Amino acid sequence: DTAVSQTPKYLVTQMGNDKSIKCEQNLGHDTMYWYKQDSKKFLKIMFSYNNKELIINETVPNRFSPKSPDKAHLNLHINSLELGDSAVYFCASSRLRGEAFFGQGTRLTVV
Amino acid sequence: GIQVEQSPPDLILQEGANSTLRCNFSDSVNNLQWFHQNPWGQLINLFYIPSGTKQNGRLSATTVATERYSLLYISSSQTTDSGVYFCAVGEGNSGGSNYKLTFGKGTLLTVNP
Repeated sequence: DTAVSQTPKYLVTQMGNDKSIKCEQNLGHDTMYWYKQDSKKFLKIMFSYNNKELIINETVPNRFSPKSPDKAHLNLHINSLELGDSAVYFCASSRLRGEAFFGQGTRLTVV
Repeated sequence: GIQVEQSPPDLILQEGANSTLRCNFSDSVNNLQWFHQNPWGQLINLFYIPSGTKQNGRLSATTVATERYSLLYISSSQTTDSGVYFCAVGEGNSGGSNYKLTFGKGTLLTVNP
């Protein structure tokens, strides 16, 4: 059983399009996150949700909108995609302040 | 926010060699994790180690929270150990409402046969 799963694994799209990445965890955690890994492999937090409530929004453009329909799911919707949005996006989950587990990543390429 | 520095940035080893990776952080942390990002991009949990020492096979880790550093030891390295090793520290207020993991820039390890 995959603990944190995200779909799709690869996403290639044109500039200006809108796309979504889905994330689900079956660990019973109450906190979920989105991280972005840039071309230099640096991992930076974008959003954090605790019990479906947004608790961290790290100066991410408002074209990025997370949505948490329940504690097990955290989706990321991106509007008007730009070339600079190309990166690997990781979903993660944890108990609050506990050990975090990451999904396999979604490689987004904007052309 | 907390600064996390990892060293060395790059490391090349021959199979069978031992190595030590270091993680320094600038302030008190709630917890600390070590990850291995394999060549396929997966982030694999190695250790959850806010303090003390843990061992898992050929890998072990030590965190000295009072001195704000952690070490990851890899013994008898294998080619499958290649990849990027990340240290990440947990920071946030006591209530946990702004808790997050802050990552270092990683150590790129290459183990040659």
